[in-house]
Amino acid sequence: RKEVEQDPGPFNVPEGATVAFNCTYSNSASQSFFWYRQDCRKEPKLLMSVYSSGNEDGRFTAQLNRASQYISLLIRDSKLSDSATYLCVVNMGYGGSQGNLIFGKGTKLSVKP
Amino acid sequence: NAGVTQTPKFQVLKTGQSMTLQCAQDMNHNSMYWYRQDPGMGLRLIYYSASEGTTDKGEVPNGYNVSRLNKREFSLRLESAAPSQTSVYFCASSENPIPGQGEYLQYFGPGTRLTVT
Repeated sequence: RKEVEQDPGPFNVPEGATVAFNCTYSNSASQSFFWYRQDCRKEPKLLMSVYSSGNEDGRFTAQLNRASQYISLLIRDSKLSDSATYLCVVNMGYGGSQGNLIFGKGTKLSVKP
Repeated sequence: NAGVTQTPKFQVLKTGQSMTLQCAQDMNHNSMYWYRQDPGMGLRLIYYSASEGTTDKGEVPNGYNVSRLNKREFSLRLESAAPSQTSVYFCASSENPIPGQGEYLQYFGPGTRLTVT
């Protein structure tokens, strides 16, 4: 089983739609969780951290389910500018490589007019 | 603050040539990382440096060497480039949070697109 798995998509949605992505991780000892956004031919940028209690930032809501080892990202009222690849990222937090992040391969979102 | 900067932005090499990719950060971060990103493979860690003076192998270190020149700079060297090293290379940096507090947020440079023919 891969360490971090995501549906690669693409998810093609109309403007204004609500879309949700899920991600599963294999290591139950994982400490921290993030969603990064990557635009075509650009570097990944942090979108939001994911907390056990769930967290919201405007139109974006992230949730963590430790028991089932999955993370979700919900985007409401999609905008054209939301079109990007969304990377699920997990920090394993073990040994000397505590800062190392494991990246999923990403889910591609395309928002159409 | 410029954040994380990388040079060059683009490079074409012939098989067997060598080159060094440069990375610098001005955020006073302790840790720095080199990744490669290939289609369908996601980001893979090549080497990392948890602090100045230390470096460690990541998932795909073969064919690469690194130098943590000082706290700001972390370079990646290809001694004898191969077509399999054609990729986009990203450098990143992060603080080391206090144990139990904070997170290992990583900030990325704009990338270097390398083609080996």
